[in-house]
Amino acid sequence: EDKVVQSPLSLVVHEGDTVTLNCSYEVTNFRSLLWYKQEKKAPTFLFMLTSSGIEKKSGRLSSILDKKELFSILNITATQTGDSAIYLCAVRGDSGGSNYKLTFGKGTLLTVNP
Amino acid sequence: DAGVTQSPTHLIKTRGQQVTLRCSPKSGHDTVSWYQQALGQGPQFIFQYYEEEERQRGNFPDRFSGHQFPNYSSELNVNALLLGDSALYLCASSPRVMNTEAFFGQGTRLTVV
Repeated sequence: EDKVVQSPLSLVVHEGDTVTLNCSYEVTNFRSLLWYKQEKKAPTFLFMLTSSGIEKKSGRLSSILDKKELFSILNITATQTGDSAIYLCAVRGDSGGSNYKLTFGKGTLLTVNP
Repeated sequence: DAGVTQSPTHLIKTRGQQVTLRCSPKSGHDTVSWYQQALGQGPQFIFQYYEEEERQRGNFPDRFSGHQFPNYSSELNVNALLLGDSALYLCASSPRVMNTEAFFGQGTRLTVV
């Protein structure tokens, strides 16, 4: 069964700090790893990493994928109070299904204080 | 583009009752997946629909059933509600192209009392 473990489960930082969120996974026939930000209800898409794209960057956010060690990190530099949210990591594998379900971790609750 | 829309946003039901949740996918998407997110947990996959058929199912009992309509919208039905069914129910849509990002709706907060 596919499995995703995120750490830490919660984190409190001050504005301007840099944070690193971790995600380790076990999945049958890895296809992709996705990061989402969940502020209130709807998770919003951040990045998707695949075998052909193991590093992504958008503004202050960046993510890398280590397929050998089966983990990913999400970095946020110069944090702002608006970065406060739950960050979810999900993996997609091919276990015989169609269009590949997402298996999520429990998420990391990030709180950025002014 | 309206994105993924779900209704209702909140719902309170009594144990033993039945509930129907609705989802309209993002324009251009024909695949709908449903997830249950309990408090403090990540979303758990319930099932996925495309071409009006259930294609993949997670570890949920038969009390959870669904349907997809010709316009790609979908319903999630839960029978014989239990207190433990209280959760945020999320709908995600994607195109039938393999390995793309999934877009989520705002969810339906179901409370069973």
